[in-house]
Amino acid sequence: DTAVSQTPKYLVTQMGNDKSIKCEQNLGHDTMYWYKQDSKKFLKIMFSYNNKELIINETVPNRFSPKSPDKAHLNLHINSLELGDSAVYFCASSQESGTTVSYEQYFGPGTRLTVT
Amino acid sequence: GDSVTQMEGPVTLSEEACLTINCTYTATGYPSLFWYVQYPGEGLQLLLKATKADDKGSNKGFEATYRKETTSFHLEKGSVQVSDSAVYFCALSDLVNTGFQKLVFGTGTRLLVSP
Repeated sequence: DTAVSQTPKYLVTQMGNDKSIKCEQNLGHDTMYWYKQDSKKFLKIMFSYNNKELIINETVPNRFSPKSPDKAHLNLHINSLELGDSAVYFCASSQESGTTVSYEQYFGPGTRLTVT
Repeated sequence: GDSVTQMEGPVTLSEEACLTINCTYTATGYPSLFWYVQYPGEGLQLLLKATKADDKGSNKGFEATYRKETTSFHLEKGSVQVSDSAVYFCALSDLVNTGFQKLVFGTGTRLLVSP
């Protein structure tokens, strides 16, 4: 069973288009994250949700809009795609509250977005 | 804000050689420290962690000790294998103003092990 899954794995699209990436975790965690990894492998957090509430919102263009319909899902919608959005986007989850707080994050396999 | 600095790669070793990847951090509080590994084409996996000073994290022959006095968390392995070839990320947990944690990653160090 895949713990954190993302779809699609690859996404090639043209500038100006709108696209979404989906993430699901079956670990029962209460917190989910989106990270962006650039071509030099630098990894930076974009957003985090805890129990469907936004708790971390880094300096990200407002063309990026996360949505968490429930605590097992966190989707990322990107409007008006630009060349600089090309990267690998990783979803992750962790347990941040309750009796089993661990702060260990479990990552999905990534979505490679290429904007042409 | 908090930050992590790790040595630039790639680190190229022969099989059975000793490995050290340096990692130092800057933090205002007492973060937990982590090493994550990313194999080609995959997401990151937690390799080991340490939550307080002098703790030693270990897993799969890798070790790292939380050194508060030198603000370091160097990754070591006595004998590397070809299968250890990957990118290794040092990270710390940073408390944000919402009361939750976020991970701050170093830039990653690529390890290449040849037979």
